[in-house]
This record gives sequence, structure tokens and C-alpha cells, in this order.
Amino acid sequence: ETGVTQSPTHLIKTRGQQVTLRCSSQSGHNTVSWYQQALGQGPQFIFQYYREEENGRGNFPPRFSGLQFPNYSSELNVNALELDDSALYLCASSRRPSSTDTQYFGPGTRLTVL
Amino acid sequence: AQTVTQSQPEMSVQEAETVTLSCTYDTSESNYYLFWYKQPPSRQMILVIRQEAYKQQNATENRFSVNFQKAAKSFSLKISDSQLGDTAMYFCAFAFNDYKLSFGAGTTVTVRA
Repeated sequence: ETGVTQSPTHLIKTRGQQVTLRCSSQSGHNTVSWYQQALGQGPQFIFQYYREEENGRGNFPPRFSGLQFPNYSSELNVNALELDDSALYLCASSRRPSSTDTQYFGPGTRLTVL
Repeated sequence: AQTVTQSQPEMSVQEAETVTLSCTYDTSESNYYLFWYKQPPSRQMILVIRQEAYKQQNATENRFSVNFQKAAKSFSLKISDSQLGDTAMYFCAFAFNDYKLSFGAGTTVTVRA
């Protein structure tokens, strides 16, 4: 069984640019959540996708957007990058959008904004 | 809004000894879930243990156990017989009856040989 994978591993962008991060969910999982983890801090919930629809959103501006595809993989898009967007971006998949189902995390994408 | 506080930024423990990590949270809800996640230096976050608030019995998973004090809103993690592979950042997390995990700032645990 393949776990959660993310690409790319590392990314360097400049302020104002746009970035797309990708996540492949674990087999059998239809729910993907995205988190931002700034250096030395705990992850912060960005949003969740369930069966290709956004199923909840944290306190992030609209320039953070996402997609989920029919195979339940997902993308996180960030427009107009700011220096504070530099962080580790984690995705997590689960069988259902419920706290009773364990979220399995990917290794993350390290984004650096210069 | 729910908040999770981990007051110990770093902990160090000798191999084979026991270490306890503290976590407090704030919520007005009665049904919720609490978690401890481990993030080793390789970065992949792994669930260590989960506690449902409606269960009075403390959860255990092998060498990992929790002390859940609902009235005090406290949820500590005890690692027994510490091993070098336990070296990691440990995050306490809270979830209501949905899916959004709210994490604490983390505690770095270093196991010394």
C-alpha cells in the first residue's frame, strides 16, 4: 500500500510569484487536508477536500486555493507569494472527513520565498 | 476557538528512562478528540496515540500512554523505556467532531545514548 506522497520536496520562489504543490493520497482515502507549518511551530490547517469539494477552510486568505481530482489526489495553489508563506506544507489523507479516522501525513514540501 | 498549549519546548531523556510531555487545551465542547503526533527529523508526521474525550480510560499504545484529565483540560504523554528512535518533535493536537486538527507548538524530545 502506497503512503501519502508530495511533490516537489523543495521549492524556491520569489515574492509575487505563484506556486502549485501536489499531493497523492493513500489508496482508499477520499479526503485530503492541507497544513502550513512555519519553522519551529505546529501545523496550521489550511483547508480540506472531500470527494472533489472543499469541505472546510482555516484562517487563510483566498490566494490559497486548492483542487481535488477524481483519483483524490490534490493540489494546493498559492498566488502572489509573500515572504511569510515560507514554510513546510503538509498534506494528510484519510478515509473520511472525520476525527475518528486517522490522518496520514506526507513528508511535506519545503517552500522558500525570497 | 480551540487552543492547544505545550509549555515544554525541549526535553532530554536518557535511553531506557521515562519522559512525560505536557499539553493543555481550551474548549467549550464536551465531545472531542485528542492526539499526540510524532515528527522525526525526516519530517513525516506519524500518529502516536489518540484519546476520545468521552472515554474515561486512558489510551495506551505499547510504550506510549496518556494521562487525560478532562476537568483540568490536560493531556500528557508518557514515553516509557525511551529509545533512540523516539527522538523527534512531538505535537499535541485537538479535533472536534470534524476533521480539522489544531496543533500545539510542539516539544522536541532528544533521547541520549
